[in-house]
Amino acid sequence: GAGVSQSPRYKVAKRGQDVALRCDPISGHVSLFWYQQALGQGPEFLTYFQNEAQLDKSGLPSDRFFAERPEGSVSTLKIQRTQQEDSAVYLCASSLGGGGYEQFFGPGTRLTVL
Amino acid sequence: DAKTTQPTSMDCAEGRAANLPCNHSTISGNEYVYWYRQIHSQGPQYIIHGLKNNETNEMASLIITEDRKSSTLILPHATLRDTAVYYCIVRVARGSQGNLIFGKGTKLSVKP
Repeated sequence: GAGVSQSPRYKVAKRGQDVALRCDPISGHVSLFWYQQALGQGPEFLTYFQNEAQLDKSGLPSDRFFAERPEGSVSTLKIQRTQQEDSAVYLCASSLGGGGYEQFFGPGTRLTVL
Repeated sequence: DAKTTQPTSMDCAEGRAANLPCNHSTISGNEYVYWYRQIHSQGPQYIIHGLKNNETNEMASLIITEDRKSSTLILPHATLRDTAVYYCIVRVARGSQGNLIFGKGTKLSVKP
Protein backbone atom coordinates (compact mmCIF):
# COMPACT_ATOMS: atom_id res chain seq x y z
CA GLY A 1 0.00 0.00 0.00
CA ALA A 2 0.94 3.67 -0.20
CA GLY A 3 0.53 4.49 3.47
CA VAL A 4 3.04 4.85 6.31
CA SER A 5 4.33 1.53 7.54
CA GLN A 6 6.07 0.68 10.78
CA SER A 7 7.91 -2.39 11.95
CA PRO A 8 7.79 -4.34 14.07
CA ARG A 9 4.16 -3.93 15.08
CA TYR A 10 4.88 -5.40 18.50
CA LYS A 11 8.13 -5.59 20.42
CA VAL A 12 8.79 -7.11 23.82
CA ALA A 13 12.13 -6.23 25.41
CA LYS A 14 13.76 -7.05 28.68
CA ARG A 15 14.76 -4.09 30.79
CA GLY A 16 18.20 -2.92 29.72
CA GLN A 17 17.95 -4.14 26.13
CA ASP A 18 18.33 -1.85 23.12
CA VAL A 19 15.51 -1.65 20.56
CA ALA A 20 15.18 -0.17 17.08
CA LEU A 21 11.83 0.83 15.59
CA ARG A 22 11.49 1.45 11.87
CA CYS A 23 9.26 3.86 9.95
CA ASP A 24 8.70 3.87 6.18
CA PRO A 25 6.99 7.16 5.30
CA ILE A 26 4.93 7.90 2.23
CA SER A 27 7.24 8.39 -0.74
CA GLY A 28 8.01 12.05 -1.38
CA HIS A 29 6.97 13.24 2.06
CA VAL A 30 9.50 15.76 3.34
CA SER A 31 8.42 15.87 6.98
CA LEU A 32 8.55 12.97 9.40
CA PHE A 33 7.42 12.96 13.02
CA TRP A 34 7.73 10.48 15.87
CA TYR A 35 5.19 10.42 18.70
CA GLN A 36 4.92 8.37 21.89
CA GLN A 37 1.50 7.28 23.16
CA ALA A 38 1.11 5.95 26.69
CA LEU A 39 -1.92 3.86 27.55
CA GLY A 40 -5.07 5.99 27.76
CA GLN A 41 -3.30 9.17 26.67
CA GLY A 42 -3.04 11.12 23.45
CA PRO A 43 0.15 10.90 21.40
CA GLU A 44 3.04 13.12 22.51
CA PHE A 45 5.60 14.62 20.14
CA LEU A 46 9.13 13.22 20.27
CA THR A 47 11.07 14.49 17.27
CA TYR A 48 10.80 16.00 13.79
CA PHE A 49 12.76 15.58 10.56
CA GLN A 50 12.73 17.68 7.44
CA ASN A 51 14.32 15.41 4.85
CA GLU A 52 17.44 14.04 6.57
CA ALA A 53 17.80 16.93 9.01
CA GLN A 54 16.55 16.45 12.55
CA LEU A 55 15.22 19.93 13.27
CA ASP A 56 13.55 19.32 16.61
CA LYS A 57 14.28 16.67 19.21
CA SER A 58 12.84 18.56 22.16
CA GLY A 59 10.32 15.82 22.95
CA LEU A 60 12.80 12.99 23.38
CA PRO A 61 12.47 12.01 27.06
CA SER A 62 16.12 11.17 27.69
CA ASP A 63 19.48 10.71 25.99
CA ARG A 64 18.65 7.01 25.70
CA PHE A 65 16.36 7.93 22.79
CA PHE A 66 17.94 8.52 19.40
CA ALA A 67 16.35 8.97 15.98
CA GLU A 68 17.82 9.15 12.50
CA ARG A 69 16.72 9.52 8.89
CA PRO A 70 20.01 9.33 7.01
CA GLU A 71 18.70 9.45 3.42
CA GLY A 72 15.61 11.50 4.03
CA SER A 73 13.26 8.57 3.71
CA VAL A 74 13.21 5.66 6.17
CA SER A 75 13.61 6.61 9.81
CA THR A 76 14.68 4.62 12.84
CA LEU A 77 13.93 5.38 16.47
CA LYS A 78 16.41 3.70 18.78
CA ILE A 79 15.99 3.30 22.51
CA GLN A 80 19.03 2.22 24.49
CA ARG A 81 18.92 0.43 27.84
CA THR A 82 15.12 0.25 27.83
CA GLN A 83 13.20 0.93 31.04
CA GLN A 84 9.67 -0.06 32.02
CA GLU A 85 8.50 3.53 31.62
CA ASP A 86 9.41 3.31 27.92
CA SER A 87 6.48 0.93 27.40
CA ALA A 88 4.15 2.70 24.98
CA VAL A 89 2.99 2.81 21.38
CA TYR A 90 5.44 4.64 19.14
CA LEU A 91 3.77 6.34 16.19
CA CYS A 92 5.40 7.68 13.06
CA ALA A 93 3.74 10.25 10.81
CA SER A 94 4.76 11.86 7.54
CA SER A 95 3.54 14.85 5.58
CA LEU A 96 4.34 16.77 2.44
CA GLY A 97 5.73 19.60 4.52
CA GLY A 98 5.57 21.26 7.89
CA GLY A 99 2.95 23.76 8.98
CA GLY A 100 -0.61 22.76 8.31
CA TYR A 101 -0.11 19.84 5.95
CA GLU A 102 -2.12 16.74 6.82
CA GLN A 103 -0.09 14.16 8.73
CA PHE A 104 -0.45 10.53 7.77
CA PHE A 105 0.17 8.13 10.62
CA GLY A 106 1.44 4.59 10.64
CA PRO A 107 -0.18 1.88 12.77
CA GLY A 108 2.45 2.25 15.48
CA THR A 109 4.81 -0.11 17.26
CA ARG A 110 3.68 -1.32 20.67
CA LEU A 111 6.74 -1.65 22.89
CA THR A 112 6.48 -3.59 26.12
CA VAL A 113 9.47 -3.55 28.45
CA LEU A 114 9.47 -6.30 31.07
CA ASP B 1 -0.42 26.31 20.43
CA ALA B 2 -3.69 26.90 22.24
CA LYS B 3 -5.15 24.29 24.56
CA THR B 4 -8.46 22.57 23.94
CA THR B 5 -11.11 21.10 26.21
CA GLN B 6 -13.26 18.16 25.16
CA PRO B 7 -15.69 15.87 26.99
CA THR B 8 -14.10 12.61 28.03
CA SER B 9 -16.71 10.41 26.39
CA MET B 10 -19.95 10.45 24.40
CA ASP B 11 -22.44 7.91 23.12
CA CYS B 12 -24.35 8.07 19.85
CA ALA B 13 -26.96 5.81 18.29
CA GLU B 14 -26.09 4.29 14.94
CA GLY B 15 -27.53 6.31 12.08
CA ARG B 16 -27.91 9.46 14.15
CA ALA B 17 -25.73 12.55 13.98
CA ALA B 18 -22.79 12.69 16.37
CA ASN B 19 -21.94 16.20 17.57
CA LEU B 20 -18.57 16.48 19.27
CA PRO B 21 -17.84 19.80 21.01
CA CYS B 22 -14.48 21.43 21.61
CA ASN B 23 -13.58 24.57 23.54
CA HIS B 24 -10.52 26.56 22.53
CA SER B 25 -11.05 29.93 24.20
CA THR B 26 -7.38 30.98 23.93
CA ILE B 27 -7.10 30.37 20.19
CA SER B 28 -4.99 32.93 18.32
CA GLY B 29 -5.92 34.60 15.08
CA ASN B 30 -3.49 32.54 13.03
CA GLU B 31 -4.43 29.17 14.53
CA TYR B 32 -6.62 26.65 12.76
CA VAL B 33 -8.88 24.03 14.32
CA TYR B 34 -7.99 20.47 13.29
CA TRP B 35 -9.77 17.22 14.04
CA TYR B 36 -8.15 13.80 14.02
CA ARG B 37 -9.56 10.49 15.17
CA GLN B 38 -7.94 7.29 16.35
CA ILE B 39 -9.67 3.97 15.93
CA HIS B 40 -8.55 1.27 18.34
CA SER B 41 -5.07 -0.13 17.52
CA GLN B 42 -4.57 2.28 14.63
CA GLY B 43 -2.71 5.54 14.17
CA PRO B 44 -4.61 8.85 14.20
CA GLN B 45 -6.42 9.82 11.01
CA TYR B 46 -7.02 13.35 9.75
CA ILE B 47 -10.71 14.32 9.48
CA ILE B 48 -11.08 18.03 8.73
CA HIS B 49 -9.76 21.48 9.59
CA GLY B 50 -10.91 25.10 9.42
CA LEU B 51 -10.02 28.67 10.32
CA LYS B 52 -13.28 30.56 10.79
CA ASN B 53 -15.72 29.39 8.15
CA ASN B 54 -17.70 26.19 8.44
CA GLU B 55 -16.19 23.33 6.51
CA THR B 56 -17.57 20.09 5.09
CA ASN B 57 -15.95 17.11 3.45
CA GLU B 58 -16.91 13.51 2.78
CA MET B 59 -16.25 12.52 6.38
CA ALA B 60 -17.67 15.31 8.50
CA SER B 61 -18.67 18.93 8.99
CA LEU B 62 -16.90 21.45 11.19
CA ILE B 63 -18.84 24.32 12.72
CA ILE B 64 -16.75 27.11 14.28
CA THR B 65 -18.44 29.81 16.36
CA GLU B 66 -18.13 33.41 15.25
CA ASP B 67 -15.78 34.27 18.12
CA ARG B 68 -13.76 31.11 17.28
CA LYS B 69 -13.67 30.08 20.94
CA SER B 70 -15.41 26.77 20.31
CA SER B 71 -16.26 24.36 17.54
CA THR B 72 -18.32 21.25 16.86
CA LEU B 73 -17.44 18.28 14.71
CA ILE B 74 -20.50 16.69 13.17
CA LEU B 75 -20.66 13.15 11.84
CA PRO B 76 -24.04 13.28 10.06
CA HIS B 77 -24.90 9.57 10.09
CA ALA B 78 -22.71 7.76 12.59
CA THR B 79 -21.87 4.11 11.97
CA LEU B 80 -20.29 1.51 14.24
CA ARG B 81 -17.00 2.12 12.39
CA ASP B 82 -16.98 5.70 13.71
CA THR B 83 -16.33 4.44 17.23
CA ALA B 84 -12.98 6.05 18.07
CA VAL B 85 -11.21 8.72 20.11
CA TYR B 86 -11.65 12.13 18.50
CA TYR B 87 -8.99 14.80 19.03
CA CYS B 88 -9.54 18.53 18.59
CA ILE B 89 -6.25 20.35 18.00
CA VAL B 90 -5.49 24.01 17.37
CA ARG B 91 -2.30 24.83 15.55
CA VAL B 92 -0.59 27.39 13.40
CA ALA B 93 -0.84 26.29 9.78
CA ARG B 94 2.02 28.29 8.31
CA GLY B 95 5.53 28.99 9.45
CA SER B 96 5.70 26.14 11.92
CA GLN B 97 7.10 22.66 11.75
CA GLY B 98 3.63 21.30 12.35
CA ASN B 99 3.93 18.78 15.16
CA LEU B 100 0.51 18.05 16.66
CA ILE B 101 -0.31 18.60 20.33
CA PHE B 102 -2.92 16.05 21.32
CA GLY B 103 -5.06 16.17 24.46
CA LYS B 104 -6.97 13.17 25.74
CA GLY B 105 -9.76 13.58 23.20
CA THR B 106 -13.36 12.38 23.31
CA LYS B 107 -14.08 8.68 23.22
CA LEU B 108 -17.13 8.30 20.96
CA SER B 109 -19.06 5.05 21.24
CA VAL B 110 -21.57 4.42 18.47
CA LYS B 111 -24.16 1.92 19.61
CA PRO B 112 -26.52 -0.20 17.49
